[in-house]
Amino acid sequence: DTGVSQDPRHKITKRGQNVTFRCDPISEHNRLYWYRQTLGQGPEFLTYFQNEAQLEKSRLLSDRFSAERPKGSFSTLEIQRTEQGDSAMYLCASSSRALGLEQYFGPGTRLTVT
Amino acid sequence: QKEVEQNSGPLSVPEGAIASLNCTYSDRVSQSFFWYRQYSGKSPELIMSIYSNGDKEDGRFTAQLNKASQYVSLLIRDSQPSDSATYLCAVKGLGNKLVFGAGTILRVKS
Repeated sequence: DTGVSQDPRHKITKRGQNVTFRCDPISEHNRLYWYRQTLGQGPEFLTYFQNEAQLEKSRLLSDRFSAERPKGSFSTLEIQRTEQGDSAMYLCASSSRALGLEQYFGPGTRLTVT
Repeated sequence: QKEVEQNSGPLSVPEGAIASLNCTYSDRVSQSFFWYRQYSGKSPELIMSIYSNGDKEDGRFTAQLNKASQYVSLLIRDSQPSDSATYLCAVKGLGNKLVFGAGTILRVKS
């Protein structure tokens, strides 16, 4: 059983560029979550998918952020026109209601905007 | 008032002692509670979940929940230097998202 995987693990970009991150959940998990974590803080919820449907979005998710899960498997998170304040660890988690409410996190993608 | 509050620490305990980590939450409809361990530069790792009032034990870890007091705690017995990490308390309400505290830094001194 492989865990949640994320790609890339690190991304350095210049302000104003677009970036896209990928998350592959645990294979039998139908629920997928994106969180963002900055230094000294706990993860903050961004968005949630059940299968391919995006069911919940945080107010933190501005119109520069978009997430997709087109076939109910992997998900992508895109940030357009990046700003220095977007620098953070972007975490993906997955869960399955049938298997319990626990969310399991991937290794994260660390974004640095210069 | 933050939704989930934890003392930031650091909490320092000697090796072999019991470490006690505390968390309070504000949303009375919260249903599920989780403790994650996070090593520096790594992602959170789930170590305990608890859903009912009382104690839940798993190895050296015991989670305690008191919904009336809106309080959840984690006890780590026989603390080891490898337990040194940030411990995150997470609460799930009626929705699907987890709300996290800022974490408590634990340092176990050998």
